[in-house]
Amino acid sequence: DVKVTQSSRYLVKRTGEKVFLECVQDMDHENMFWYRQDPGLGLRLIYFSYDVKMKEKGDIPEGYSVSREKKERFSLILESASTNQTSMYLCASSPLYEQYFGPGTRLTVT
Amino acid sequence: QKEVEQNSGPLSVPEGAIASLNCTYSDRGSQSFFWYRQYSGKSPELIMSIYSNGDKEDGRFTAQLNKASQYVSLLIRDSQPSDSATYLCAVDPRTGNQFYFGTGTSLTVIP
Repeated sequence: DVKVTQSSRYLVKRTGEKVFLECVQDMDHENMFWYRQDPGLGLRLIYFSYDVKMKEKGDIPEGYSVSREKKERFSLILESASTNQTSMYLCASSPLYEQYFGPGTRLTVT
Repeated sequence: QKEVEQNSGPLSVPEGAIASLNCTYSDRGSQSFFWYRQYSGKSPELIMSIYSNGDKEDGRFTAQLNKASQYVSLLIRDSQPSDSATYLCAVDPRTGNQFYFGTGTSLTVIP
């Protein structure tokens, strides 16, 4: 079975804090993704990576950055958290076509 | 125009009935199509993938693809209360793994 883990299920941060969300997959997948999911807006792609140290912007990269130093780990960074970044954050990994999701991190920024 | 459109529902069916979920997409060059199930408060779980026209069956689930009509559907036979969830349609418009997701259809199976 594909295993994608995320560092926290729930996280509460204050406005202006730097926030790190980590994702780890154990299937040697090339591709990894970060999404956010909001009611009525569905899943929106923030960033993705198809190789170590490679990254591509998705549809909503503003206010976020990513890091992929090792193949199995893909980190999402909120440089200065804002209340409009309160959301469910989902990491996914993919060998080629299908994407497999981690359990998600529900982030609240107060 | 949205890349992927689904009826938001909610869709309610009695236990044992067939649930039919529909999805249309805008990019005619799309090659890969997926259905995910998402329980409330949980992450999406892949349940079906389909790549060529026609039907693909897996247990009680059947995915149907019609590329000419840009339409993909999911049928759930003998629906169970445990099938109550939101179903997301995802489309890969080109090789490169960047999916587009619909906003999901909420399904409730009534015992």
